[in-house]
Amino acid sequence: DTGVSQNPRHKITKRGQNVTFRCDPISEHNRLYWYRQTLGQGPEFLTYFQNEAQLEKSRLLSDRFSAERPKGSFSTLEIQRTEQGDSAMYLCASSLLRGNTEAFFGQGTRLTVV
Amino acid sequence: AQKVTQAQTEISVVEKEDVTLDCVYETRDTTYYLFWYKQPPSGELVFLIRRNSFDEQNEISGRYSWNFQKSTSSFNFTITASQVVDSAVYFCALRANNLFFGTGTRLTVIP
Repeated sequence: DTGVSQNPRHKITKRGQNVTFRCDPISEHNRLYWYRQTLGQGPEFLTYFQNEAQLEKSRLLSDRFSAERPKGSFSTLEIQRTEQGDSAMYLCASSLLRGNTEAFFGQGTRLTVV
Repeated sequence: AQKVTQAQTEISVVEKEDVTLDCVYETRDTTYYLFWYKQPPSGELVFLIRRNSFDEQNEISGRYSWNFQKSTSSFNFTITASQVVDSAVYFCALRANNLFFGTGTRLTVIP
């Protein structure tokens, strides 16, 4: 088991460009979460999937953000028309469906918008 | 609504001292789960411990122990005989359906 994998690890983009991140969860995990973390803050929930269904999106998530998990395996997070305020670490985590199981995190994708 | 509060933003202790990290949570769900995670300087979040809402028995695992009290909605985490390698940011998390994190407590263990 290789754990949760996120690509790319780092992304620098110009303001206004679109970016897409990928997350490959642990293979048998039903749930997949996306978080955003800025310096000195905790992981801020963005959205989560149960298999291919997107069950919840944060109200903080603007319409520039979209996430998919088409086959219930890997997931992508796209940010359109990036802004400097989007600069952050984007974290992906996966877990089994059972509530008492922990979520495993990837190493994150660090986005810098210049 | 779910909320996790970690009032301590930073704590410093001298090596070998015990340290307790506080966590207070809010949820309307009757079944939920609480977790502690560690984020070392390398950045990856690492799971430490978990507790179910229907089990208030406190436990010890090596140098880690936790105190879960439903009456005060608290889930405190103690590191005994702290070591320099314990220096990290520690996050408390609550899972009912979703998984919410607190803002973290930065622990510095001074040699």
